[in-house]
Amino acid sequence: GENVEQHPSTLSVQEGDSAVIKCTYSDSASNYFPWYKQELGKRPQLIIDIRSNVGEKKDQRIAVTLNKTAKHFSLHITETQPEDSAVYFCAASPGGDNFNKFYFGSGTKLNVKP
Amino acid sequence: NAGVMQNPRHLVRRRGQEARLRCSPMKGHSHVYWYRQLPEEGLKFMVYLQKENIIDESGMPKERFSAEFPKEGPSILRIQQVVRGDSAAYFCASSPKDSTSGNTIYFGEGSWLTVV
Repeated sequence: GENVEQHPSTLSVQEGDSAVIKCTYSDSASNYFPWYKQELGKRPQLIIDIRSNVGEKKDQRIAVTLNKTAKHFSLHITETQPEDSAVYFCAASPGGDNFNKFYFGSGTKLNVKP
Repeated sequence: NAGVMQNPRHLVRRRGQEARLRCSPMKGHSHVYWYRQLPEEGLKFMVYLQKENIIDESGMPKERFSAEFPKEGPSILRIQQVVRGDSAAYFCASSPKDSTSGNTIYFGEGSWLTVV
């Protein structure tokens, strides 16, 4: 089955700096890659996603890049703010009959220092 | 449009008791998923259901755990004879029926189970 690895496990940045979180996946059939933000005690919330026919997607301060050949994708947050502090999870969906089955990375705890 | 509804939000059970967690998907969604999140860890897939049908239960422990999504009513995740290791947050998610590959799934607020 699919294996998603996420790095780093913790990331501390100064307010205003950029943050980058990287994920790799193993199943070349995976074709949908969402990113979720989870605040303490809350549900994971979708912040951005990318499909395999696209190399990059941007939404204000958040961008995601996908390299299908290398099987890795990254989340970029620019001009970080204290409210960006949370745990971020990447995920991969393998498509086919299991196109709604998600495999999650282990999470990155982002701390934005004011 | 109400989101994915889960209850109870918090549940405390003694070892050996049963836990029942309920999930009502978003309106118009016919696919339900259960994920487990242990403290300080990521989300692990447990089971994927459609109405009256278990599609994939490869992430479910073989014993004590079961799930259903009846024709009427919410999806239920049932844990029998709970042990301390079952303490976790259980998240339900739903997605619409869609023939295209890759669907966004929407999570409920979670049910936090504590076994004492």
